[in-house]
Amino acid sequence: GQNIDQPTEMTATEGAIVQINCTYQTSGFNGLFWYQQHAGEAPTFLSYNVLDGLEEKGRFSSFLSRSKGYSYLLLKELQMKDSASYLCAVRAPRQSNYQLIWGAGTKLIIKP
Amino acid sequence: EAQVTQNPRYLITVTGKKLTVTCSQNMNHEYMSWYRQDPGLGLRQIYYSMNVEVTDKGDVPEGYKVSRKEKRNFPLILESPSPNQTSLYFCASSSLGGGPPYEQYFGPGTRLTVT
Repeated sequence: GQNIDQPTEMTATEGAIVQINCTYQTSGFNGLFWYQQHAGEAPTFLSYNVLDGLEEKGRFSSFLSRSKGYSYLLLKELQMKDSASYLCAVRAPRQSNYQLIWGAGTKLIIKP
Repeated sequence: EAQVTQNPRYLITVTGKKLTVTCSQNMNHEYMSWYRQDPGLGLRQIYYSMNVEVTDKGDVPEGYKVSRKEKRNFPLILESPSPNQTSLYFCASSSLGGGPPYEQYFGPGTRLTVT
């Protein structure tokens, strides 16, 4: 079967750093996405990893290890506006029509 | 402005009354998809389309229909809505070519309540 696991909820302090983990077991792999979703709003794209390693984009970084089926999203200098759910999704290969397999999301709560 | 639009944004209806939620994108994307999102369950795909006149079932297609007659539009049809279809619905689109990241762009969502 196909499975993506993320912690349900995490809490962090404003100004700190937080790492949100995602592990996946899928029948194929063609990239991993991270999305941010504020309550009641649409998900918005944060990052895409297809090769192993770290991708940095401002305060956000995403890491991928394909051999371990593991990714993390690192958020630095946390701000109150970072309170949101963070969704991990794996892109299936062409044979599976590039479908996205979604994790249930991690709700991040930022405290002052 | 590149965007995905959905209408209506909010809808309260009664069991059995047919409804359509429209979705339109202006990015010339080949791929379009409908999701529903329920607390604790994450995004679940209902139907998707790889191009005009090409549609396929996702994970939870029962009770829904779609069509893709034009590239920009992908309406979701509930022929006979039931209370278990009360949910937050998102339409999304993405390119299938032109290089990564191939991210999906989401519409603002439609909150549907069926009584």
